[in-house]
Amino acid sequence: QVQLVQSGAEVKKPGASVKVSCKASDYTFTNYYLHWVRQAPGQGLEWMGWINPNSGDTVYAEKFKGRVTISRDTSITTAYIELSALSSDDTAVYTCARGRGYSYKFPIDYWGHGTLVAVSS
Amino acid sequence: EIVLTQSPGTLSLSPGERATLSCRASQSVRSTFLAWYQQKPGQAPRLLIFGASNRATGIPDRFSGSGSGTDFTLTINRLEPEDFAVYYCQQYDRSVWTFGQGTKVEIK
Repeated sequence: QVQLVQSGAEVKKPGASVKVSCKASDYTFTNYYLHWVRQAPGQGLEWMGWINPNSGDTVYAEKFKGRVTISRDTSITTAYIELSALSSDDTAVYTCARGRGYSYKFPIDYWGHGTLVAVSS
Repeated sequence: EIVLTQSPGTLSLSPGERATLSCRASQSVRSTFLAWYQQKPGQAPRLLIFGASNRATGIPDRFSGSGSGTDFTLTINRLEPEDFAVYYCQQYDRSVWTFGQGTKVEIK
């Protein structure tokens, strides 16, 4: 059974950065794109970006460009998202999710459990 | 970036009724690359429909998707109690993905 296990909740001050990890298991890590989606309290789903774990290529939503970095370490089948210059608007649950296939042209079939990032002074 | 606008924002219906949810795109989306997800409180979203009209594994046939170009529809026939949830459309036609803002289907 595919598993995406994320790091624990974080509390950050405005202006700080946060890095969330997503450990993948029980499938071939490099064969499936990984996406990051966030959901603010009571709000909808917001796609942030994807990574091709094989090549390391990334694409980000325009809204986050310059502030977000998605990376991966294939040796430990783990992906990361780092978001900088945090503000209270970034308080949300951040979730990694696996695309069904080997390009971005596949929808999501598995989701992590989510990581709450709270930004507060 | 393709903007997906879902309507209505909230749909109040009774069990057994039919739900019709709309998703309109700001630019044409190839139907092969339009999905619908269901999300219940405290849970991760679940893929319902991919390729605009294909049910994902294990999805009951009361769920159906249709549409092309800029207008897509999710229909839920004979609502069951477990179908009351929030539904999102999503395009994966372009490298930059987008979700709609969601439609909540609530019990009337």
